[in-house]
Amino acid sequence: QQQVKQSPQSLIVQKGGISIINCAYENTAFDYFPWYQQFPGKGPALLIAIRPDVSEKKEGRFTISFNKSAKQFSLHIMDSQPGDSATYFCAASRTNAGKSTFGDGTTLTVKP
Amino acid sequence: DAGVTQSPTHLIKTRGQHVTLRCSPISGHKSVSWYQQVLGQGPQFIFQYYEKEERGRGNFPDRFSARQFPNYSSELNVNALLLGDSALYLCASSSGGGTFHEQYFGPGTRLTVT
Repeated sequence: QQQVKQSPQSLIVQKGGISIINCAYENTAFDYFPWYQQFPGKGPALLIAIRPDVSEKKEGRFTISFNKSAKQFSLHIMDSQPGDSATYFCAASRTNAGKSTFGDGTTLTVKP
Repeated sequence: DAGVTQSPTHLIKTRGQHVTLRCSPISGHKSVSWYQQVLGQGPQFIFQYYEKEERGRGNFPDRFSARQFPNYSSELNVNALLLGDSALYLCASSSGGGTFHEQYFGPGTRLTVT
C-alpha cells in the first residue's frame, strides 16, 4: 500500500518557467510534509517542509501549497533554472517519528 | 560542520554473503534511521535507532539488522544477500528530543549483489 503518491514521474520545463510537482497522502495522522532534492550519486537533501496548520510556505523560489481537506500538497519552483534539474521527493511523517514515507520521485529537467 | 557520513561508498557482494554498512550522524545528533532506495523509487524505511535502542522497524525481513553505538554511529547488517537487495542504502540523522522527523541524509552506500 503506497501511502504517498507523487506525480508526474518526470517533468521538462524551460528555463524561467514554473515547475509543479504534486503529492497525495492517505494517512491523516501525518503532520509533517517535507520535500527533498536528490542529485545523482547523492543522498536526498531537505529542501522545504510544511505542517498542515498552514496552507502555504515559501522559501526563496520554492513554495509548498497544502490542501488538508484534499490530503494533497504540491511543490512549486518559480523561475526554474538548469541547476534545479534533479529528482524531487515528497514525504510525509508524524511529528517526532523517525520514519518518513516517500513518494516515488519526480525527475525534473530544466532546459536552458 | 561535517554532515552525515557513510561507508563504504560502493560495495559489490555475491548472493548469500553478508554485508555491514556504517553511518556516522551529524555531530550532536542522537538518532539514526536507515532507508533502502531501489533505483527509480523513493527511500523505504528500514530501522530507526535512538540512544542505542530500536525505535522503529519497517517491513523488511529478519535478514536485516542494525545497531547503534555509544557514540551514536550505527551499523546496518544484511545477511544472506539476495539480488533484490541491490540498492542505495541511506542513513539519516536527527537530533531527537522532539525533532526526529527533521532528517538529514548521508550520501548513501551503493550495494550491488551479483
